[in-house]
Amino acid sequence: SFELIQPPSVSVSPGQTATLNCSGNKLGEKYVCWYQHKSGQSPVLVIYQDSKRPFGIPERFSGSNSGNTATLTISGTQSLDDGDYYCQVWDSSTVLFGGGTKLTVL
Amino acid sequence: QVQLVESGGGLVKPGGSLRLSCAASGFSFSDFYLIWIRQAPGKGLEWVSYIYGSDTTINYAESVKGRFTVSRDNAKTSLYLQMNSLRAEDTAMYYCARPRCTGSYSCGFENWGQGTMVTVSS
Repeated sequence: SFELIQPPSVSVSPGQTATLNCSGNKLGEKYVCWYQHKSGQSPVLVIYQDSKRPFGIPERFSGSNSGNTATLTISGTQSLDDGDYYCQVWDSSTVLFGGGTKLTVL
Repeated sequence: QVQLVESGGGLVKPGGSLRLSCAASGFSFSDFYLIWIRQAPGKGLEWVSYIYGSDTTINYAESVKGRFTVSRDNAKTSLYLQMNSLRAEDTAMYYCARPRCTGSYSCGFENWGQGTMVTVSS
């Protein structure tokens, strides 16, 4: 069955660029979405269709997807970007989430 | 604006049942498929079930197949999840969510409820 692999944690200093990866077999052939999830809150869609931002999501969030890896890039990372990030795809009529990456801004 | 409000969570013994509800407003309810997603304590997001607007298509994660039943009432703009034979591993925050757009699987889930907590414990 299809799997999405994310590193458990990523750390970045404020103002720097955070790069969060999501890998899966031929992932570039699927559309990837990304969600930000902060403790005690509901998840927020930050990227859909690999690279599109929903209304209200800051421009510092960008996405790409090619080969076996999708990437969420957060430029000029801020402390409020702290949280868990999940990639998500559809595969064989099922919804799959990666295991999530905890982004720490310190 | 789009609003999703879950209810029905609580504490239940293993083997017991619960029915979750998700009251929706602010959009054309029958046009959208809806989805249940859960997060167990300390774990990641896990898809549970989805149902199309017309009820014609339903699917479940393997972990809940045969125990959970999803349904919707378009007249009441509500989504439901009947959970039977509950297990400790079903303990989680349960969210209902709506995709960003209709007619495509690639738009992501833009609208989420606040979640309702289900705890399965003796």
